[in-house]
Amino acid sequence: DIQMTQSPSTLSASIGDRVTITCRASQSINKWLAWYQQKPGKAPKVLIYKASSLESGVPSRFSGSGSGTEFTLTISSLQADDFATYYCQQYNNYWTFGQGTKVEIK
Amino acid sequence: QVQLVQSGAEVTEPGASVKVSCAASGYAFTDYYIHWVRQSPGLGLEWMGIINPSRTTTVYAQRFQGRVTMTRDTSTSTVYMELTDLRSDDTATYLCARESAGLTARPSTNHFDYWGQGTLLTVSS
Repeated sequence: DIQMTQSPSTLSASIGDRVTITCRASQSINKWLAWYQQKPGKAPKVLIYKASSLESGVPSRFSGSGSGTEFTLTISSLQADDFATYYCQQYNNYWTFGQGTKVEIK
Repeated sequence: QVQLVQSGAEVTEPGASVKVSCAASGYAFTDYYIHWVRQSPGLGLEWMGIINPSRTTTVYAQRFQGRVTMTRDTSTSTVYMELTDLRSDDTATYLCARESAGLTARPSTNHFDYWGQGTLLTVSS
């Protein structure tokens, strides 16, 4: 099984901050990685797929990069609506999620 | 618009079984794979398995093999996930999700583009 490790687990930030979340795969997954945002009581919502492709309707302040085993999700200027938990997901070999990164208000 | 609507919350006892439904609308039901994912505070998001609504073929995650069965009813565009021999650590929210790109994208696999609202299962004596 491919393991996905996110860091940090929790991140405290302020409105306007640049935020970066990292996801590492236990083996190469090429570019087959997605990022999801989840708010309490809601289902995950896809933000980024194929490592760097922005899902339709997602604000351009979200971006993704990486390939192989190291990936990042960046929020260029954190907005109030962005406080949530973020998950990475690999889909190179079946499907596996990271453990999540909670972005909270500083 | 694409929608996946799941059945309501369930409370059951250890050793029992539960069957959760996921009703799809707004797209051609047999053209897209449906996955089941469960979410618990301790284990995060866990992929449980996948069903091809066109051919009813399934693949289950190893940790659920023998306890999970996924089926579908094309007349109602509904997918079902049954989990048997329930334990307290099966207490979680169960979510269905549609795989983007559709059946014709195989052999490549894809991310999930639409999700159900989740079904909370509580297993307690």
